[in-house]
Amino acid sequence: GAVVSQHPSWVICKSGTSVKIECRSLDFQATTMFWYRQFPKQSLMLMATSNEGSKATYEQGVEKDKFLINHASLTLSTLTVTSAHPEDSSFYICSAPSSGMFHYGYTFGSGTRLTVV
Amino acid sequence: AQKVTQAQTEISVVEKEDVTLDCVYETRDTTYYLFWYKQPPSGELVFLIRRNSFDEQNEISGRYSWNFQKSTSSFNFTITASQVVDSAVYFCALMQDTNAGKSTFGDGTTLTVKP
Repeated sequence: GAVVSQHPSWVICKSGTSVKIECRSLDFQATTMFWYRQFPKQSLMLMATSNEGSKATYEQGVEKDKFLINHASLTLSTLTVTSAHPEDSSFYICSAPSSGMFHYGYTFGSGTRLTVV
Repeated sequence: AQKVTQAQTEISVVEKEDVTLDCVYETRDTTYYLFWYKQPPSGELVFLIRRNSFDEQNEISGRYSWNFQKSTSSFNFTITASQVVDSAVYFCALMQDTNAGKSTFGDGTTLTVKP
């Protein structure tokens, strides 16, 4: 089945540094990737939608300059948290339509737990 | 606007009990899709089921079953003879056909199955 590989699984970084999270679709082409953030014991909140070869679309309230998203190829989308601060500590998850069609379901990455100290 | 409500924040049952997780949704679209996902402690979301708005047929998959009722805008999930491995957070999600694939998730229900 469709697999999205997300790395790293967890990362601890110092305040002010940047962190890059990668999501790769291993056996299918992901023209679209959704990026979510999940705080402890809360639901998934969509941050942005990335499309291969074009600029990402950010949800209201999400800082574009802070959360840089790049979707350079059909199999790779990256999220860079720039100048991270403790309030950015969260669980970040990527997701792509499993078969290229949104309504058939989604495959999620395993998530990245970011802790900013 | 679309909204998903999972009123049950936490449920605790004893192994072998049946349990139903409720999901109520709101949408103005006539075409939409409903999903259930399982999130075990490891964090990865696992897709369980997808249902489109034109298919109200209930579905059973092993110990899992889903009851979709458009009249009440509900898409409830029942686990029969629960097992400890069913312990997880379960999310119901809605995707409107007109919303470019974006899903709205409910707040999740934490299910604890005790031995």
